[in-house]
Amino acid sequence: EDKVVQSPLSLVVHEGDTVTLNCSYEVTNFRSLLWYKQEKKAPTFLFMLTSSGIEKKSGRLSSILDKKELSSILNITATQTGDSAIYLCAVGKGAQKLVFGQGTRLTINP
Amino acid sequence: DTEVTQTPKHLVMGMTNKKSLKCEQHMGHRAMYWYKQKAKKPPELMFVYSYEKLSINESVPSRFSPECPNSSLLNLHLHALQPEDSALYLCASSQEGFPYNQPQHFGDGTRLSIL
Repeated sequence: EDKVVQSPLSLVVHEGDTVTLNCSYEVTNFRSLLWYKQEKKAPTFLFMLTSSGIEKKSGRLSSILDKKELSSILNITATQTGDSAIYLCAVGKGAQKLVFGQGTRLTINP
Repeated sequence: DTEVTQTPKHLVMGMTNKKSLKCEQHMGHRAMYWYKQKAKKPPELMFVYSYEKLSINESVPSRFSPECPNSSLLNLHLHALQPEDSALYLCASSQEGFPYNQPQHFGDGTRLSIL
């Protein structure tokens, strides 16, 4: 059975801290790993990773995939209250199907 | 605001009603998706359309009936739903990039409550 596991499930930090969110997977027919941010409504696309060891960056966010360890991390530096959200990891199984992890609820306190 | 538009934003219906959820995108995407999301759970895939043809049905009960009238529109017809069908229904679209994934872009969802 396909599995995507995120940790921690919940994280509370102070503004300015750096956080690391984890995602591990066991999915047949792996094609890619994606990170999304979900606030109140639509999940918003952050990154898609297909190659191991290549870091993707967007401002204070970065992510890297380790295909040998079947895992990925999402780093957020200098956190802001606007980073508070649920961060979802999803693995592309075949060309069209995404298998989601349960999400990490991140709370940034001022 | 997202580039995938879903209507209505909220829907309350009885178990005997028939209603439809609508989704529209104008990004030229040729793959469209329906997901169901229960509270504090991740989205679960229901259906995938590729080039207006149904390509994946994740064993969804027949009381949910998808339709893709054209490449920009996706509907979900609802009939005789159960209280456990109450959830956020998310539509998404993506480029068609077989055999590789393409990022899916989500709408804000329709929050459905079944009385």
